[in-house]
Amino acid sequence: DAGITQSPRHKVTETGTPVTLRCHQTENHRYMYWYRQDPGHGLRLIHYSYGVKDTDKGEVSDGYSVSRSKTEDFLLTLESATSSQTSVYFCAISDTGQGTQPQHFGDGTRLSIL
Amino acid sequence: SQQGEEDPQALSIQEGENATMNCSYKTSINNLQWYRQNSGRGLVHLILIRSNEREKHSGRLRVTLDTSKKSSSLLITASRAADTASYFCATGGSEKLVFGKGTKLTVNP
Repeated sequence: DAGITQSPRHKVTETGTPVTLRCHQTENHRYMYWYRQDPGHGLRLIHYSYGVKDTDKGEVSDGYSVSRSKTEDFLLTLESATSSQTSVYFCAISDTGQGTQPQHFGDGTRLSIL
Repeated sequence: SQQGEEDPQALSIQEGENATMNCSYKTSINNLQWYRQNSGRGLVHLILIRSNEREKHSGRLRVTLDTSKKSSSLLITASRAADTASYFCATGGSEKLVFGKGTKLTVNP
């Protein structure tokens, strides 16, 4: 299994609070991604990174920000969480560009916003 | 917006039977990938087929790609209870990898 660790694995928080999810990889892959998975919507890309300090928006980026200060860590921040952001969040990595190679996934963070 | 769309949404079969899942997409692609997701876990890559390939095998998996019909199929032969999972297709182009909503496969012992 690819070395991808997501933390926390579960979190319950209240509307309006800031939340940061962490993805840590030990594979030295260049690309890292954050997705959310919701019933009826499948997997949707939030943000991705193609190198340290290099990030770009995905399909559903509103309300989310990301940072990557080291190759191995990619952080997803909800500045002021809303109930619509209740979801399961997955981090993925790949060695090369977005659609050209397989992606390897972490086991997800289940986030509930009350 | 979703690119790939799997069919059927759910499939229930007996152990030993074959399972076939289909994926249709709308625009041109560089490759098409299939992933499996067990309950409570992340997606696991199964197989990648490039746009210039028509068929690919991996163990009990067989994937076909028909770019003229913009469709792909995943066949799992001699299914096992451990194959119970959701299966997703994802289309890769010059930019994003876009996932479909998945087929939920249940293999009954």
